[in-house]
Amino acid sequence: DTEVTQTPKHLVMGMTNKKSLKCEQHMGHRAMYWYKQKAKKPPELMFVYSYEKLSINESVPSRFSPECPNSSLLNLHLHALQPEDSALYLCASSPEGTSGRSDTQYFGPGTRLTVL
Amino acid sequence: AQSVTQLGSHVSVSEGALVLLRCNYSSSVPPYLFWYVQYPNQGLQLLLKYTTGATLVKGINGFEAEFKKSETSFHLTKPSAHMSDAAEYFCAVSGRGGYNKLIFGAGTRLAVHP
Repeated sequence: DTEVTQTPKHLVMGMTNKKSLKCEQHMGHRAMYWYKQKAKKPPELMFVYSYEKLSINESVPSRFSPECPNSSLLNLHLHALQPEDSALYLCASSPEGTSGRSDTQYFGPGTRLTVL
Repeated sequence: AQSVTQLGSHVSVSEGALVLLRCNYSSSVPPYLFWYVQYPNQGLQLLLKYTTGATLVKGINGFEAEFKKSETSFHLTKPSAHMSDAAEYFCAVSGRGGYNKLIFGAGTRLAVHP
């Protein structure tokens, strides 16, 4: 299995809702990432988990809450989002922990989030 | 600090023509460089990467890139464009500081016309 899967593909939520995005990989990778990508822009890093511990939080608002229950699974919990949070949310994984600067990051297809 | 500049937000070529997408980088440490492609409504897929060793790197789908330290460049080329190459292309450099943060350029949208 050489892919990163993400569910759901599309999500529409109101500003008072609570929802979660899910990411899964079965490649034995030790680092997992959340990115946010606005239209016509490059991905922006949000969080990095290395060996199931949160290593990097790029000053993301607390309405986004990541969770790494095990080495294969990464969640992003969403609460009280704003319309400007509408974007494509990408998950990625890489073989080594965060010290692997030359590591390839493997991306999932993303979840298209719309906040009304 | 690391940064990436992609010259040309849009590039248009004819089918069968040479594809050249430009990428210049800035890095205070030996750079690790990546080219990713993103098709509409999809995630990013690695085309190729440079870490150390041979400066001419061959990737998937007939793409290659040459690392030129003196020019701080890592341009992506393909001898003959195909309609299926139409996509967004991102050049990225791996950050320093002991963690694997990719710093992306703004992207170049490649259009291929018949």
